[in-house]
Amino acid sequence: ETGVTQTPRHLVMGMTNKKSLKCEQHLGHNAMYWYKQSAKKPLELMFVYSLEERVENNSVPSRFSPECPNSSHLFLHLHTLQPEDSALYLCASSQEFGTPQPQHFGDGTRLSIL
Amino acid sequence: GQNIDQPTEMTATEGAIVQINCTYQTSGFNGLFWYQQHAGEAPTFLSYNVLDGLEEKGRFSSFLSRSKGYSYLLLKELQMKDSASYLCAAMDSNYQLIWGAGTKLIIKP
Repeated sequence: ETGVTQTPRHLVMGMTNKKSLKCEQHLGHNAMYWYKQSAKKPLELMFVYSLEERVENNSVPSRFSPECPNSSHLFLHLHTLQPEDSALYLCASSQEFGTPQPQHFGDGTRLSIL
Repeated sequence: GQNIDQPTEMTATEGAIVQINCTYQTSGFNGLFWYQQHAGEAPTFLSYNVLDGLEEKGRFSSFLSRSKGYSYLLLKELQMKDSASYLCAAMDSNYQLIWGAGTKLIIKP
């Protein structure tokens, strides 16, 4: 298995539920990212981790909580979400943070909040 | 503020050539990326430009003018599989990518 893998591919949850998104990269990269992609809008960077330490947090509501237990795995814990949080959540990785290297993306988790 | 502009949608004919433009305004500049994203799939890296000029990679080429804050992606000999969204992203002085909303390219037979 190669590249960046995200699970689940689709998730439907109520506003009071708690769920987690998982991302795994098999590229030996040291930086990992969470993005939110809404229809017809630019990708929004949510969180960046470099060597398992958070380096960016772009004013994301506290109902989104990231976790990076090691350089290959990244989680996004969700609780008490709002309907406007329905979107495609993309995980990406790159060789190093802070260098002009391409990011490699997973296929995303399509999240729907009821 | 930081901003990327690209057309929302373009239509082209199979076998033809299409140019997708992108203008950017960023705090500092560390290069311009183009990505392709098919519906329901991951964005995939196409090209990176940091110096002025044209970079050719098979049927795809990317151009950059730093003085004009302008880039384009040129697709030749269009195929139906090229129907996708094309995302332009500029890297600022903090090495953060500033993304455009994407250009949806529709290829007609």
